[in-house]
Amino acid sequence: EVQLVESGGGLVQPGRSLRLSCTASGFTFGDYAMSWVRQAPGKGLEWVGFIRSKAYGGTTEYAASVKGRFTISRDDSKSIAYLQMNSLKTEDTAVYYCTREQRVVPAVSDYWGQGTLVTVSS
Amino acid sequence: DIQMTQSPSTLSASVGDRVTITCRASQSISSWLAWYQQKPGKAPKLLIYKASSLESGVPSRFSGSGSGTEFTLTISSLQPDDFATYYCQQYNSSEGTFGQGTKVEIK
Repeated sequence: EVQLVESGGGLVQPGRSLRLSCTASGFTFGDYAMSWVRQAPGKGLEWVGFIRSKAYGGTTEYAASVKGRFTISRDDSKSIAYLQMNSLKTEDTAVYYCTREQRVVPAVSDYWGQGTLVTVSS
Repeated sequence: DIQMTQSPSTLSASVGDRVTITCRASQSISSWLAWYQQKPGKAPKLLIYKASSLESGVPSRFSGSGSGTEFTLTISSLQPDDFATYYCQQYNSSEGTFGQGTKVEIK
């Protein structure tokens, strides 16, 4: 069974950093691209970015709203994807979901974690 | 950037109704469109990908159609479990833009 478990969320002050982790199980992690999607309280879904599998270069793409502040990385030996968030703003407050992309190109998210809440506030 | 616009924003319907939700892209995305269902407090669930392909395990009352810039999600006979918010997402470009969502409410 595919499982994605996010961790690392919490309350953080504006301008500070936070790193989220997504621990995967139930599939060969290294074969799949992984993405992050967020949802502000009471709002819709916002795509944050993704990281390709090593077979496709392991490169990353980001939404304009987070480019230069957020970094996605992966550790295939541990089956973990990371979202490093720097220079956090109040508008980054959201539930952050880790997702697995389908094993095709282009792909969409076929499995989602339960999400972790990040609150940016002084 | 590709913008995605869903309509309506809210839809009131009864059990057994046929329901259609529309998603329009600001430029052609071929058939690279997905539909998700989200219930309160839960993660979204993939329903349809590549505009019309039904994800495994999703009931056949859900169907998708369209290409280019205009797409529809149809629920042929609305069931109590279907009251939720639905999102479209384009994945033609490297940024996977979502629509703003359509909430399906009980009439």
